[in-house]
Amino acid sequence: DIVMTQSPLSLPVTPGEPASISCRSSQSLLYSNGYNFLDWYLQKPGQSPQLLIYLGSNRASGVPDRFSGSGSGTDFTLKISRVEAEDVGVYFCMQTLQAPFTFGPGSKVDIK
Amino acid sequence: QVQLVESGGGVVQPGRSLRLSCAASGLIFGSYGLDWVRQAPGKGLEWVTIISYDVTREYHADSVKGRFTISRDNAKNSLSLQMNSLRDEDTAVYYCVRGHSGYDFLIFWGQGTLVTVSS
Repeated sequence: DIVMTQSPLSLPVTPGEPASISCRSSQSLLYSNGYNFLDWYLQKPGQSPQLLIYLGSNRASGVPDRFSGSGSGTDFTLKISRVEAEDVGVYFCMQTLQAPFTFGPGSKVDIK
Repeated sequence: QVQLVESGGGVVQPGRSLRLSCAASGLIFGSYGLDWVRQAPGKGLEWVTIISYDVTREYHADSVKGRFTISRDNAKNSLSLQMNSLRDEDTAVYYCVRGHSGYDFLIFWGQGTLVTVSS
């Protein structure tokens, strides 16, 4: 199975400042079609998870452009250009290259 | 309004069975992969199982293989999860999720239904 790791696991942030979360996979998530099968989700407090970024770098519908995804192979990054109070929650990366699909442990973002 | 509504959760004894259902409104199931994802209390997300739109592809997490069965009825826009031989560690909120037509990222999530396995 592909193992996903994230860092940091806890990230206190200041509104208006940038933030970054790293995700690593135990195997390359780059498929022969050029896509990385790596997605990012945000679970806000008390809510179901929501898709933020799919296939490594594509923002999902309705996701603000302050969120961006980058990386390839085994190393990926989610960046928030300017954190807003509504961005608090737990961020998960997930690979769908190979079943069983696997999530990272989650990175909890809260306001300092 | 787009909605996925799970039902069937509850308290069940170890070793017993439970069947979860998911009904969709405002969105179509037929052309999309469908998943179940679970979250134990205070823990992270765990992907459980997927069924392709045409039922040709089913995969399961190792932790539920041989015990859980996913099924779908495209005509009724519904998804089910039959859970047998339940264990304490199956206690979690179970989310029904609709994927994308060509890839497996998870787009629409239900609100979840809580399954508690306890004697």
